[in-house]
Amino acid sequence: DAGVIQSPRHEVTEMGQEVTLRCKPISGHNSLFWYRQTMMRGLELLIYFNNNVPIDDSGMPEDRFSAKMPNASFSTLKIQPSEPRDSAVYFCASILIRVPGQVYNEQFFGPGTRLTVL
Amino acid sequence: GESVGLHLPTLSVQEGDNSIINCAYSNSASDYFIWYKQESGKGPQFIIDIRSNMDKRQGQRVTVLLNKTVKHLSLQIAATQPGDSAVYFCAETPGGKLIFGQGTELSVKP
Repeated sequence: DAGVIQSPRHEVTEMGQEVTLRCKPISGHNSLFWYRQTMMRGLELLIYFNNNVPIDDSGMPEDRFSAKMPNASFSTLKIQPSEPRDSAVYFCASILIRVPGQVYNEQFFGPGTRLTVL
Repeated sequence: GESVGLHLPTLSVQEGDNSIINCAYSNSASDYFIWYKQESGKGPQFIIDIRSNMDKRQGQRVTVLLNKTVKHLSLQIAATQPGDSAVYFCAETPGGKLIFGQGTELSVKP
């Protein structure tokens, strides 16, 4: 398996533009997580899906952020409009959850998308 | 609040020496803890985990110690190698979420 795939790896955009980050989880995994990493705040969970359904989006910073998972093999994180403070590395992770409510254990992370908003 | 308290210090060790990375957590409800390793330009990678009913768990060259009394977690790396150079994060799981600490950068000198 190729692992979790994220695209693009790097994105540079101007303030006000729409940004879409993409993630392909590991085949067979039923849960997907979006994280944001900055030096100031470390790794923060933004949202996670189980069986394509958003379970907890309490980490989504504001309405400018939205995430979708139309099927088991694809998810997007969209920022519209983007702002300089959104600059960060965004990670996607996936896991197979066998026990309902158990969201820990070994999450497999993608390589991340480094977003720079000018 | 609910937070894991790593202050991103840097730990520099000589190749072959043992490394100890420490972590303080704040939530008594956390029943599962994980250590992740993040190399430059990559996503975090699982190293080892421990449940709250244990105080020690060993893996290959790594040992995690848990002291619930003082809410302290440590990661010991034996015979540290240059390939161990990375940022190490501990994470706790109150309410089923992963909450990461800020990380400790480990630098291995040849």
